[in-house]
Amino acid sequence: AQSVSQHNHHVILSEAASLELGCNYSYGGTVNLFWYVQYPGQHLQLLLKYFSGDPLVKGIKGFEAEFIKSKFSFNLRKPSVQWSDTAEYFCAVMGNAGNMLTFGGGTRLMVKP
Amino acid sequence: SQTIHQWPATLVQPVGSPLSLECTVEGTSNPNLYWYRQAAGRGLQLLFYSVGIGQISSEVPQNLSASRPQDRQFILSSKKLLLSDSGFYLCAWSVWGAGTGELFFGEGSRLTVL
Repeated sequence: AQSVSQHNHHVILSEAASLELGCNYSYGGTVNLFWYVQYPGQHLQLLLKYFSGDPLVKGIKGFEAEFIKSKFSFNLRKPSVQWSDTAEYFCAVMGNAGNMLTFGGGTRLMVKP
Repeated sequence: SQTIHQWPATLVQPVGSPLSLECTVEGTSNPNLYWYRQAAGRGLQLLFYSVGIGQISSEVPQNLSASRPQDRQFILSSKKLLLSDSGFYLCAWSVWGAGTGELFFGEGSRLTVL
């Protein structure tokens, strides 16, 4: 069975600070990896995804994530956060054999202006 | 374009009462459909998924059931609600097959069981 672990449950940063949210997964085969974001009062939406190729993927709003296969990690980064990045962030994994997307517990990010 | 709708948006029900949450998708055919529950501090928990009409897979044994009576309709039900069923329920769809894996979520239904 696949599982996802997000180590930081709550993160508070000031504007312009750098962000890194940790994500580790457990799965024995090839995976597709995702970061979803839920802004206050809005739907969950896709931030970025990795299927294959360049392990450094870039998403919307200046976010990027790096897939490190040896560490089973897919950490999310942003060099300089903005107040509008305040949201809950979810890492997710899908094994290539199925249709199930497994989510981590989520990280609530608060950016102080 | 594809859209997904779920209702009701908010529901307050007494313990022991039945539940029916409905989700419909428009603009696509034969989607994979999902029910997730989002509980505070516990992230998103997959409850059920369906790859076709009448095909339901349950991920977590519980007090809930799901049905897919039509290609683009997914229903979450309970005969008798428990306090622990309170939470935020999300319906989602994805392209049929292993595909891209990207899920598109509905607006969510907040259930409070008293």
